[in-house]
Amino acid sequence: AQKITQTQPGMFVQEKEAVTLDCTYDTSDQSYGLFWYKQPSSGEMIFLIYQGSYDEQNATEGRYSLNFQKARKSANLVISASQLGDSAMYFCAMRGSLYYNQGGKLIFGQGTELSVKP
Amino acid sequence: KAGVTQTPRYLIKTRGQQVTLSCSPISGHRSVSWYQQTPGQGLQFLFEYFSETQRNKGNFPGRFSGRQFSNSRSEMNVSTLELGDSALYLCASSKDGESYEQYFGPGTRLTVT
Repeated sequence: AQKITQTQPGMFVQEKEAVTLDCTYDTSDQSYGLFWYKQPSSGEMIFLIYQGSYDEQNATEGRYSLNFQKARKSANLVISASQLGDSAMYFCAMRGSLYYNQGGKLIFGQGTELSVKP
Repeated sequence: KAGVTQTPRYLIKTRGQQVTLSCSPISGHRSVSWYQQTPGQGLQFLFEYFSETQRNKGNFPGRFSGRQFSNSRSEMNVSTLELGDSALYLCASSKDGESYEQYFGPGTRLTVT
């Protein structure tokens, strides 16, 4: 069974500093995809970044980068130069098994609430 | 390009009633997935529809059902509402369910009293 674990319920970071949000996963599939989403208090899930299991380089999207360590089954999100608007819940997710035609299903972790201090 | 839209945004229902929520995916997207988000259980997958067929189903009772129309719009229905059904219901759309492009709508917040 696939599983996502986020061990940090809450994190604080000073504005303009970098922060790392942890995510570990478990799957027996060779091909899989990992996502990070941001959920502000309004509730909408905002796609941040994606990493495929066969991607050799870590994904980056602007201030977001994904530190992918396949052997350790970790996919940590790094936010550089934090801004006040980054305060939100952050979810790590894994796509369901394509082998079992479950690509449209996302398995989510419990989330990390990030607070950026001025 | 318009994003994923969900209607209504807020809903208050009474125990025992039924409710229908709607999701319109991004144009060209044929896969729609539904999720329930509660403080206790987090984000849980309900079901996925692709080309008008239910392709995947989560572990929810039969009171939760859905369908997809030929224009890819999807509805989910909850019958005989219980207090525990109070949640944020999110839908996500993607081209085929296999790409990394899975975009969420703003959600429908359902309160059952």
